[in-house]
Amino acid sequence: QKEVEQDPGPLSVPEGAIVSLNCTYSNSAFQYFMWYRQYSRKGPELLMYTYSSGNKEDGRFTAQVDKSSKYISLFIRDSQPSDSATYLCAMSGTNDYKLSFGAGTTVTVRA
Amino acid sequence: DADVTQTPRNRITKTGKRIMLECSQTKGHDRMYWYRQDPGLGLRLIYYSFDVKDINKGEISDGYSVSRQAQAKFSLSLESAIPNQTALYFCATSDTNEKLFFGSGTQLSVL
Repeated sequence: QKEVEQDPGPLSVPEGAIVSLNCTYSNSAFQYFMWYRQYSRKGPELLMYTYSSGNKEDGRFTAQVDKSSKYISLFIRDSQPSDSATYLCAMSGTNDYKLSFGAGTTVTVRA
Repeated sequence: DADVTQTPRNRITKTGKRIMLECSQTKGHDRMYWYRQDPGLGLRLIYYSFDVKDINKGEISDGYSVSRQAQAKFSLSLESAIPNQTALYFCATSDTNEKLFFGSGTQLSVL
């Protein structure tokens, strides 16, 4: 079993829809949770960063962490074609030297 | 100019050849990483370095070696390339464990 599970999709939605992405994990020591966005033939870039449980909002993006269920989510409101990308979840523990990544979910927002 | 620069962007090589992928950064970060990305497997850590004199193996270091020539330069070598090393390779830097800054990647094909 992978340490971080993420449905690879692909996910296709119409412009303006809400995009819902999620990851589950097995390591209860994870404290830092991130979402990276990766455009085609580009490197991933950090989109959202959350420490421990709770919600974080940044414009159209909301990240949620439920440590009791070992489940994290990313919501994109009013999705735009420019949101078409692969979204990777990532997480780490307090003293980890590396991030554990999900496989990534490919999202296409249709105009 | 990009903060993290990888060269080459694309490389095709033959089985058994030695090749080097190069990475340079202008972010002033001490920590540098090499990842490979394969479809369905996400990002996996090959090697990482927390300063010029510190080199550490990641989860998939077999068949690879690295050199940290300076704070800003970190190169990855494949001593004798094999077809299953065909992948997208990323260099990354950070000043924390969590927030990585990636280059644009090198697409490597081993025939």
